[in-house]
Amino acid sequence: GDSVTQMEGPVTLSEEAFLTINCTYTATGYPSLFWYVQYPGEGLQLLLKATKADDKGSNKGFEATYRKETTSFHLEKGSVQVSDSAVYFCALGQAGTALIFGKGTTLSVSS
Amino acid sequence: GAVVSQHPSRVICKSGTSVKIECRSLDFQATTMFWYRQFPKQSLMLMATSNEGSKATYEQGVEKDKFLINHASLTLSTLTVTSAHPEDSSFYICSARDQKGGSYEQYFGPGTRLTVT
Repeated sequence: GDSVTQMEGPVTLSEEAFLTINCTYTATGYPSLFWYVQYPGEGLQLLLKATKADDKGSNKGFEATYRKETTSFHLEKGSVQVSDSAVYFCALGQAGTALIFGKGTTLSVSS
Repeated sequence: GAVVSQHPSRVICKSGTSVKIECRSLDFQATTMFWYRQFPKQSLMLMATSNEGSKATYEQGVEKDKFLINHASLTLSTLTVTSAHPEDSSFYICSARDQKGGSYEQYFGPGTRLTVT
């Protein structure tokens, strides 16, 4: 079945450092790919998405490119801030089913 | 953007009682809603998929008689935890899919923290 694998955390960075969180997927068909972010005690917020191969999703300085050849959707940000500290989930979506999530990666940014 | 609300945000109940959690899509119609459970520092575990006007589809291992789900309208789904026990204490999150959407995106509620004493 379909699945999502993302790098284990926690990821600890200093402010203004470069961030990469790896995400790979296994899927039949042509899924849409998502990154969600969860702040402590809150629900999930959509960070960015891509619906087809080579699409780049971007939001708030975060980017991810849908790479079909490597079945990847890595999340990147050039300069992280303390306020980016949260848990990040990579997810895959197909028609008729709920999103499939990775296990989540905790990001901690210190000043 | 699409907004999903949940009520209550926090609830404490005594063992043996029942608790109802509401999930509403505020500015769109949701043919399908999903209920997740999240344990501390873990990912979301899908409990059930709720389709408007039909019975919910439960994931393997989820007791349908314990976690009653009703999706009576295109904007409201409810989860009732019946005869709650301390092990049911968790963070419950609902999400909804816009029936007009084409990217399979789900919009999430803010979650409900249930504590059973």
